[in-house]
Amino acid sequence: DAGITQSPRHKVTETGTPVTLRCHQTENHRYMYWYRQDPGHGLRLIHYSYGVKDTDKGEVSDGYSVSRSKTEDFLLTLESATSSQTSVYFCAISEDGTSGNEQFFGPGTRLTVL
Amino acid sequence: GQNIDQPTEMTATEGAIVQINCTYQTSGFNGLFWYQQHAGEAPTFLSYNVLDGLEEKGRFSSFLSRSKGYSYLLLKELQMKDSASYLCAVLDSNYQLIWGAGTKLIIKP
Repeated sequence: DAGITQSPRHKVTETGTPVTLRCHQTENHRYMYWYRQDPGHGLRLIHYSYGVKDTDKGEVSDGYSVSRSKTEDFLLTLESATSSQTSVYFCAISEDGTSGNEQFFGPGTRLTVL
Repeated sequence: GQNIDQPTEMTATEGAIVQINCTYQTSGFNGLFWYQQHAGEAPTFLSYNVLDGLEEKGRFSSFLSRSKGYSYLLLKELQMKDSASYLCAVLDSNYQLIWGAGTKLIIKP
């Protein structure tokens, strides 16, 4: 299994509070991704990174920011959490984002915003 | 817009064969992936197709027709542990994965 962890695994927070989710990998993969998964929807890309300090927006980036100061860590921040951001968040990694290399997924973080 | 369509749910019997279809309309095509996701767990990679035809991997096979915007995942000799959601995803012209909502497969004894 690819070495990829997420923390926390579960979090309950209140509307308006900032939240940071962490993704950590030990595979030295260049690409890292943050997705959210909601019932009835496919996985939706929030942000991705193609190297240290190199990030770009995905399909549903509003209300989210990311940072990657080290190869192994990719942080997702909800600046001011809203109930619509209640979801399961998955981090994924891949060696090369521009080919058929598979993405490996972390275990997920279940976030509830009250 | 970009769209991936899969049936929401399918039911099959242990030991049988099931085919899960996926149709797509995307801006560009750089390959199609199938992933398996057990309830409460992360998706795991099953297959990747970029050329037309059938790719076989043990009990699982995946087929692609680029001209028809169509793929299927074929599962043979179904086992109870195959009960899961199966996700179809297309790598678009920007090399971003566009995901279907998934097909929940229920296996009955």
